[in-house]
Amino acid sequence: DSGVTQTPKHLITATGQRVTLRCSPRSGDLSVYWYQQSLDQGLQFLIQYYNGEERAKGNILERFSAQQFPDLHSELNLSSLELGDSALYFCASSASTPGGGTDTQYFGPGTRLTVL
Amino acid sequence: AQSVTQLGSHVSVSEGALVLLRCNYSSSVPPYLFWYVQYPNQGLQLLLKYTSAATLVKGINGFEAEFKKSETSFHLTKPSAHMSDAAEYFCAVRRVGAQKLVFGQGTRLTINP
Repeated sequence: DSGVTQTPKHLITATGQRVTLRCSPRSGDLSVYWYQQSLDQGLQFLIQYYNGEERAKGNILERFSAQQFPDLHSELNLSSLELGDSALYFCASSASTPGGGTDTQYFGPGTRLTVL
Repeated sequence: AQSVTQLGSHVSVSEGALVLLRCNYSSSVPPYLFWYVQYPNQGLQLLLKYTSAATLVKGINGFEAEFKKSETSFHLTKPSAHMSDAAEYFCAVRRVGAQKLVFGQGTRLTINP
């Protein structure tokens, strides 16, 4: 158990819908990262937040957005869903510096999103 | 842009045999390097990481990896495979000062009894 929790574990929805994925980082971790794992793209970095502020952006679609709240939990919002958005979405957290450094990223169990 | 190449999407070894999973990175400056393992229906767990200290890094579950700058490689090894090692293994790189991890495509390890 990494200490990172994600809810829900599974999500099945229809095209065009909007969903919210939730992540609680390890106690004391200030950085939260979101990754998408799909069969065709592999594991891709989406976005990072540090203590409530966006720090880095990766291959995140404009239909997707995220935020980190004062209690440090984070939510990833996916809207106008398409079949190709079906994937496993991971949240990771790390301890300290906004620059990352040698911090270890601890991954949650993931949310499996299926878009029908 | 940094990239990571894992040679072999599937590797199969016999129980008790040597495990060798290959990872090469592209970077002009040695980055930080990581190996993660993913068991079925689970998240990623860190096996080990290289952060510019010792080039031979020991991790959990008997795994180790050696950073070779001249070969831009960070191969993962384990002397004797166990059935519980069956999983998918990901090599990842992070540029110094950067945030994101860049992952390889993964190698699925199968252990034959």
